[in-house]
Amino acid sequence: DTGVSQDPRHKITKRGQNVTFRCDPISEHNRLYWYRQTLGQGPEFLTYFQNEAQLEKSRLLSDRFSAERPKGSFSTLEIQRTEQGDSAMYLCASSYSGSSYEQYFGPGTRLTVT
Amino acid sequence: GQQVMQIPQYQHVQEGEDFTTYCNSSTTLSNIQWYKQRPGGHPVFLIQLVKSGEVKKQKRLTFQFGEAKKNSSLHITATQTTDVGTYFCAGPGGNTPLVFGKGTRLSVIA
Repeated sequence: DTGVSQDPRHKITKRGQNVTFRCDPISEHNRLYWYRQTLGQGPEFLTYFQNEAQLEKSRLLSDRFSAERPKGSFSTLEIQRTEQGDSAMYLCASSYSGSSYEQYFGPGTRLTVT
Repeated sequence: GQQVMQIPQYQHVQEGEDFTTYCNSSTTLSNIQWYKQRPGGHPVFLIQLVKSGEVKKQKRLTFQFGEAKKNSSLHITATQTTDVGTYFCAGPGGNTPLVFGKGTRLSVIA
């Protein structure tokens, strides 16, 4: 399967712990996006990369969130000092460069903070 | 910032009935994309519209982009149970590659 993959698929953590998620995009895609989705809402943009450069980060995103794409391939999203409000589905997507290209989404990582 | 609004939020239809969802942007869009998310699944790209007044069809699905490029619609003819899911529109928003609406959740009663 050459689609977007995410790991883990589910994560349960206690409030205050740090968590890290991984995303492997479609290999030919140089853009990688992170979204957060809660029940009944559309995907909420968090940040995106073109190759290894982080081009934009949501102004609404807490400083506890950080993302990397060190070699322009896979990416990691880390949440420090998790809070119950961080519970959500974290979606990764990839695409070719440019807003006119469709995004291919991974299956997501469901985070539950207890 | 740019906002994308969709109505209705929910739609329940009998199998065989038609369905329409509407999308409105607070700003003019260079393009608009539609995605479908099945229950428990992830968003899957359906189509992109670029030109003012553009109409595209995919089998029973008809997509339209408004003349002012600020609104769009998705119409499904003769719904089937396989159409169940949430339909999202999304458009570029400033520095954000895609801003998604909240979606319209479609339920089809057999």
